[in-house]
Amino acid sequence: DVKVTQSSRYLVKRTGEKVFLECVQDMDHENMFWYRQDPGLGLRLIYFSYDVKMKEKGDIPEGYSVSREKKERFSLILESASTNQTSMYLCASSPRTGLTYNEQFFGPGTRLTVL
Amino acid sequence: DQQVKQNSPSLSVQEGRISILNCDYTNSMFDYFLWYKKYPAEGPTFLISISSIKDKNEDGRFTVFLNKSAKHLSLHIVPSQPGDSAVYFCAARGTDMRFGAGTRLTVKP
Repeated sequence: DVKVTQSSRYLVKRTGEKVFLECVQDMDHENMFWYRQDPGLGLRLIYFSYDVKMKEKGDIPEGYSVSREKKERFSLILESASTNQTSMYLCASSPRTGLTYNEQFFGPGTRLTVL
Repeated sequence: DQQVKQNSPSLSVQEGRISILNCDYTNSMFDYFLWYKKYPAEGPTFLISISSIKDKNEDGRFTVFLNKSAKHLSLHIVPSQPGDSAVYFCAARGTDMRFGAGTRLTVKP
């Protein structure tokens, strides 16, 4: 069974704090993704990575950065948290086949509240 | 720019009846479509998919139909069960994966 774990289920931070969200997958997947889910907007891609130390911007990268030092771990960083970053954050992974992406396996999500 | 749209935010059906969830897309380059199901406090899980070269794929109670000329796909669940109550996301694969906003399905006993 593929398992994607996220370090926290709920997180409350203050405006201006630096926030780290960690994601680990145990299936040796090449691709990893960070999304945020907001009502009426679905899942929007923040960043993705198709290999160690590689990263690509998604649709809404502003205010975020990522780190992938090991294949199994993909971290999302909010350099200076703002209230508009209050959201549900979902990490996903998938194996790489060809140039596009297969079915993604999601973690349980981290609900971040920025006060 | 929402390339994948689910225009119904919610749907309520009676147990045993058919549930039909709809999804429209704008990008004709999408080559693969997926449906994900999400329960509260859990991440989305893959449900069923269809390649753009097909018009129907069936898996048990779940069937996905693809109408490429209309850029429309639908998920049929029959018979619907209370355990099917969840948010359903449509996704389309091109150079990356695009998700719809989701439809919350409630199946009433």
